[in-house]
Amino acid sequence: SYVLTQPPSASVAPGQTATITCVGNNVGSKSVQWYQQKPGQAPVAVVYDDVARPSGIPERFSGSNSGNTATLAISRVDAGDEAIYYCQVWDPSRDQVVFGGGTKLTVL
Amino acid sequence: QLQLQESGPGLVKPSETLSLTCTVSGDSINGTTYYWAWIRQAPGKGLEWIGHIYYSGGTYYSPSLRSRVTVSVDTSHNHFSLRLSSVTASDTAVYYCARRRGYYSNFDYWGQGTLVTVSS
Repeated sequence: SYVLTQPPSASVAPGQTATITCVGNNVGSKSVQWYQQKPGQAPVAVVYDDVARPSGIPERFSGSNSGNTATLAISRVDAGDEAIYYCQVWDPSRDQVVFGGGTKLTVL
Repeated sequence: QLQLQESGPGLVKPSETLSLTCTVSGDSINGTTYYWAWIRQAPGKGLEWIGHIYYSGGTYYSPSLRSRVTVSVDTSHNHFSLRLSSVTASDTAVYYCARRRGYYSNFDYWGQGTLVTVSS
């Protein structure tokens, strides 16, 4: 089955840019979604269809996707961005949704 | 504003069937581009897709759960449901219902989640 690999953790100083990767075989040919999940809460979409932002999500959140790697970037990070971030794709060859394992972002 | 709300027993005995309902408010479940999904998260673990259904009844299931899962939709009551049979302790999780925007797209609305514990 299709696999998405994320680093378990990432850390960034306030005001800097955090980048979280999502690696999958030829993931650039798929549409990648990103979610933010804070403790005790449901996930929230922060980037959809590789690069688009849902209404209400700050411009600080951006996505890119090429080759075998999709990336979520969060600029001007603050403490409120501490969360676990998940990538997700639809694998049409198997008709299934695939989630990455999640990356816990820590703001130092 | 679309809202989804999960409901059902919080405790299920091993070998029994877990049944949850997701009530949709703020819009009709008959939207022609939307899919209605169940996703779960075991304690301290990541997200696991269970399956989803189109309003007309077409279903998609996780291969690892397919033999035990049924997702159904009731358009007259604007809700959809999950049944997971022969549960074990490994099925203990927070269960979320969610709306999927389209065939290739994301889950744009989520319920708050409901914890289901499998224990005797």
